[in-house]
Parts: sequence; structure tokens; C-alpha cells
Amino acid sequence: AQTVTQSQPEMSVQEAETVTLSCTYDTSENNYYLFWYKQPPSRQMILVIRQEAYKQQNATENRFSVNFQKAAKSFSLKISDSQLGDTAMYFCAFTSLYNQGGKLIFGQGTELSVKP
Amino acid sequence: DGGITQSPKYLFRKEGQNVTLSCEQNLNHDAMYWYRQDPGQGLRLIYYSQIVNDFQKGDIAEGYSVSREKKESFPLTVTSAQKNPTAFYLCASTAGTGAYEQYFGPGTRLTVT
Repeated sequence: AQTVTQSQPEMSVQEAETVTLSCTYDTSENNYYLFWYKQPPSRQMILVIRQEAYKQQNATENRFSVNFQKAAKSFSLKISDSQLGDTAMYFCAFTSLYNQGGKLIFGQGTELSVKP
Repeated sequence: DGGITQSPKYLFRKEGQNVTLSCEQNLNHDAMYWYRQDPGQGLRLIYYSQIVNDFQKGDIAEGYSVSREKKESFPLTVTSAQKNPTAFYLCASTAGTGAYEQYFGPGTRLTVT
């Protein structure tokens, strides 16, 4: 069974600085997708970034980028120039291309606080 | 605007009562999902449906039931058999084959006393 682990329950960063959130996963499959979702205090889940396992190039979306290490099964999220609006719970998620249901498997989350 | 709606935002019930949470999407997505979120935990899958009139159990289906009579609607019933129903419930959808990111509704906070 696939699992996703986020080992940092809480993190904080000063506004305008850079922070990296860690995620590791376990799977025996070769083709899958990885995601980072953001859940602000409103509790609305928002897709931040996605990575296809077959792509070697790390995904980027504006201030958000990932470091995808397939062999190490690591998928960290880097937030550059942190803003107060980045304060949220961040979830790492996995889905297998072989999974007919398209189910997402989530980590436990990292609560990020951006301080002024 | 296309999106997913869940109603109500807050729901209160007495123990022993069944309650149905609404989820509607106008994204024309094929697949829909229900997740449960508890404090300090990630989301856990309750049920999912890939097409109308078909659905499958997720990891924590006991005490829950669903229906998928229309493509845009996927209601979740929390039955009295669910031992610890107080939680935050999220509905999600995805376009289906070839699309893997899920889009979420705003959630329903259910409190059972």
C-alpha cells in the first residue's frame, strides 16, 4: 500500500524568506502523480502544484517549486518570497496511474505560519 | 463560474440521527469523492464514484452511504452506525481518465452531540 509522510507538523518562516516543506512517499509503482495542496484557515483545499513522475524536470508555479527525487521517493515544496497569505496547512498527496479510482493518498499535513 | 458546492457549511445533529451532506458540481466532471478530515490528520477517503450509478468504498466507508443518480450530484449520508461522526467533510471531483488533480468544495463541518 502506498503511504505519504510529512515529518514536519509545524513550521514558521519570516515574510519574504524561503521555506521548504518535506514529503516522502512509499510506492512500488513507476507511474504516478504527486501534488501539494494548501488549506488556509477558510479550510478550502487549493491545488498548489503537481508533478508527474515520468517528468525529470521539477515543476514550478510562480513562487512555488518542488524538488522531486524519484529514487529517494522525496517530494519537497519550496516557497520563495513567503507572504502572509501563504499561512496555511500544506498537504502532500499521491495518486497512482494504475489506480482506477484516481484516489488521492494524503500526508498528515504541515502547518506553516508566515510571520511579519 | 464552475465549481463545487457543499451545503450547509455547518451542520448539527443529535446522536442516533442520520444526516445527509450535499455535494454538487457544475464542472462536468466524471469522478467524485468524499473525504473526512480530523484534527492533526490528513484527508481519508470515504467513498468515490467514477460514473453515474456506480460507486466504491474508500478506506473508511463503515457507517456511511452514498448515491450517484446524477453526474453533478454525490450526496453523503452519515448514518447512526458511524461511531464518531463529528468531523470536517470534503467533497472533490476530477475530470476522469487522464486527469488526476482533484478540485475540492468548501467543506461541511458536522457536529454530532
